[in-house]
Amino acid sequence: EAGVTQFPSHSVIEKGQTVTLRCDPISGHDNLYWYRRVMGKEIKFLLHFVKESKQDESGMPNNRFLAERTGGTYSTLKVQPAELEDSGVYFCASSRRGSNSPLHFGNGTRLTVT
Amino acid sequence: QQQVKQSPQSLIVQKGGIPIINCAYENTAFDYFPWYQQFPGKGPALLIAIRPDVSEKKEGRFTISFNKSAKQFSLHIMDSQPGDSATYFCAASRNTYGNKLVFGAGTILRVKS
Repeated sequence: EAGVTQFPSHSVIEKGQTVTLRCDPISGHDNLYWYRRVMGKEIKFLLHFVKESKQDESGMPNNRFLAERTGGTYSTLKVQPAELEDSGVYFCASSRRGSNSPLHFGNGTRLTVT
Repeated sequence: QQQVKQSPQSLIVQKGGIPIINCAYENTAFDYFPWYQQFPGKGPALLIAIRPDVSEKKEGRFTISFNKSAKQFSLHIMDSQPGDSATYFCAASRNTYGNKLVFGAGTILRVKS
């Protein structure tokens, strides 16, 4: 089966600009997660979708971040306007239904805000 | 507040050595403890996981030791190889919160040939 796909792999934008990250989960995976790793620190949870519904968005830093999962398939994470502290690697992960089903991570999008 | 503390930050061992990475957690409600392995340019991949009802789990050369009373768990890599060089993350989650993982900060392992 194809893995979790993220696009773009890298993005460099200026402060104040908008960036949209995309994630295509593994087919059939209802759960979709966004995580972020800021330089050298732990990977932090951002939010969790079950199909198209936001199950938990407690990790979203602020209202500059907007995540969507239209139709319960792919997801987008938009940052508008971007700030310097938004730089980091954004990971998407998906899993089947059921608690503690293994998470499958994408390769991440490295976002640099200058 | 970091809920899962991981050490060391980096580790260098000779081929054949047994690197040990340690993690400590605070939340006693955690009931699932996975380890992830990440190679440069790739996403984290599940390596091995344990639940608190057992004290040890082995999968190939990888072993998790779990100490519930101390709220600590560790990863041991037997007969380490240069191909094991990667970043390792411990994590924890609560069953009722699905896969909302809380990660440690990661350990960069280098195995010298």
